[in-house]
Amino acid sequence: TQLLEQSPQFLSIQEGENLTVYCNSSSVFSSLQWYRQEPGEGPVLLVTVVTGGEVKKLKRLTFQFGDARKDSSLHITAAQPGDTGLYLCAGDYNQGGKLIFGQGTELSVKP
Amino acid sequence: DAGVTQSPTHLIKTRGQQVTLRCSPKSGHDTVSWYQQALGQGPQFIFQYYEEEERQRGNFPDRFSGHQFPNYSSELNVNALLLGDSALYLCASSLGRIFYGYTFGSGTRLTVV
Repeated sequence: TQLLEQSPQFLSIQEGENLTVYCNSSSVFSSLQWYRQEPGEGPVLLVTVVTGGEVKKLKRLTFQFGDARKDSSLHITAAQPGDTGLYLCAGDYNQGGKLIFGQGTELSVKP
Repeated sequence: DAGVTQSPTHLIKTRGQQVTLRCSPKSGHDTVSWYQQALGQGPQFIFQYYEEEERQRGNFPDRFSGHQFPNYSSELNVNALLLGDSALYLCASSLGRIFYGYTFGSGTRLTVV
């Protein structure tokens, strides 16, 4: 069974703090994606990483793909209440879109 | 530019009944995938349609079936509904055979009673 373990499951922080979310697997991915989902909505794609060791930045969000393409991390600098939501990592094994999702990290940023 | 459109938004069905969910992909997208998201969990891949054929399938029973129409829209059918089928059903579209990322719809919330 292909699994993607995401941690932590829940995170409650104050505005201005930094945080990191981790996504780990024993399998190698062809690509890995991060999505953000708000209540009552579908996930919204934040980034796709493809190359081992790749680092991508999206404003205050930094995404890293592990050298072996088995793990990834999402780091948020100076979190804001607008960052509140469910963050999901998803791995693709065959470039075909059959994604394996982690169970998500529920982030709450308090003002 | 319209994103992914799903209907209905909410649905309540009785055990044993059948349900059909509908999806229109983002303009320009030709591939439609369906995911099931149980409460507090990440989405699980049901199947994917490309060129009107099922191209990939996840670990779901044959009670789950689908269709893609020439205009790329898609339907998800679930027969003999079980209580455990209660979930948010998400449709996602993408372009082409090489996958770079999905645009998801807002989902259909199915409750089986």
